Amino acid sequence: SQKIEQNSEALNIQEGKTATLTCNYTNYSPAYLQWYRQDPGRGPVFLLLIRENEKEKRKERLKVTFDTTLKQSLFHITASQPADSATYLCALYTGGGNKLTFGTGTQLKVEL
Amino acid sequence: NAGVTQTPKFRVLKTGQSMTLLCAQDMNHEYMYWYRQDPGMGLRLIHYSVGEGTTAKGEVPDGYNVSRLKKQNFLLGLESAAPSQTSVYFCASSLGGLNTEAFFGQGTRLTVV
Repeated sequence: SQKIEQNSEALNIQEGKTATLTCNYTNYSPAYLQWYRQDPGRGPVFLLLIRENEKEKRKERLKVTFDTTLKQSLFHITASQPADSATYLCALYTGGGNKLTFGTGTQLKVEL
Repeated sequence: NAGVTQTPKFRVLKTGQSMTLLCAQDMNHEYMYWYRQDPGMGLRLIHYSVGEGTTAKGEVPDGYNVSRLKKQNFLLGLESAAPSQTSVYFCASSLGGLNTEAFFGQGTRLTVV
């Protein structure tokens, strides 16, 4: 079956460090992969989309990589700040491109 | 431009009662989705629609029905609520297509007692 897996354990890092979150998928060959941020009590908010022929994509302090051989995407936040504390979700269109399917998300806590 | 609006924000139901959750979007999006989110389970797709008049089952459709009579609205119905349906429900919409982002509503917190 198709699966999207993210580390369920919370990631705690110090302010100023780089946070790296992982998204692994199986039995997919996605053309695109997306990352979202979710704050408590709120709906997810789109952050970045990366195409299969893009190895890396950047937006301000965010960087996403996409390795279709490893079936893995890495999400990096550089110079992390307490305001970056949230749950981060990866997502793929599955089921022939109609269903937007999410990983379980990884909670990030940035401490002073 | 309100984006995606869900009604109501909170609701408490007794077991066996019915209710309808309303999702409205003003972005002229083709695709709409209903998810439920439970602790440790992530977002699970209940039903989705790829256009007006169409609906399809997602990952956890049992106990729910949906309708998309108008392009801007996607309704989620619970005919006979059960405690297992206690959850936070999110509606989302997108233009459609593999490279399109989804926009989410603020969520509905439903408790079934």
